[in-house]
Amino acid sequence: SQKIEQNSEALNIQEGKTATLTCNYTNYSPAYLQWYRQDPGRGPVFLLLIRENEKEKRKERLKVTFDTTLKQSLFHITASQPADSATYLCARSGGSYIPTFGRGTSLIVHP
Amino acid sequence: EAGVTQSPTHLIKTRGQQVTLRCSPISGHTSVYWYQQALGLGLQFLLWYDEGEERNRGNFPPRFSGRQFPNYSSELNVNALELEDSALYLCASSLLSVEETQYFGPGTRLLVL
Repeated sequence: SQKIEQNSEALNIQEGKTATLTCNYTNYSPAYLQWYRQDPGRGPVFLLLIRENEKEKRKERLKVTFDTTLKQSLFHITASQPADSATYLCARSGGSYIPTFGRGTSLIVHP
Repeated sequence: EAGVTQSPTHLIKTRGQQVTLRCSPISGHTSVYWYQQALGLGLQFLLWYDEGEERNRGNFPPRFSGRQFPNYSSELNVNALELEDSALYLCASSLLSVEETQYFGPGTRLLVL
């Protein structure tokens, strides 16, 4: 079965710096990778989707890359703010496969 | 446009009881997904419904079941509750497109005592 792996350790950074989160997948290439933000006790919120034929996608301060050779997606938040503190989930999608989410990485931005 | 709604927001039950959770998808969305998120754990896929049919099921016992109604709303039923069923139950909806971007509801927090 396929796996989506994210760093389980929290990422602590200073306000204004760029946060970079990693998502690795195994077994087969997902057609799409999606990134979600989840605040404690609430449902995830969709942020960005990147297709396997796209190398990079941007939305405001967010950037996602997709490297099918490394089987990895990187999620960047530039000029990070304390309000960006949350858990960020990576998910695969595409076709009739069961939607698969990683366990998420907690980001803490210190003022 | 209204987002995904879930009810109730919180629920306390005792072992052995049964519970029904409800979800209304975004208007126009035909797919509904259910997930379980225990404290500190990731999203565990439970069920996927589309056009009233169960399309896929996660690795959960048969006491977890559900259905989707003609208006695309959905119910999740859990029988014979166990302590480890305590979790946040999330519903998501999507268009049945190959990209399957999911829009989540606020969740139902279930506590089993």
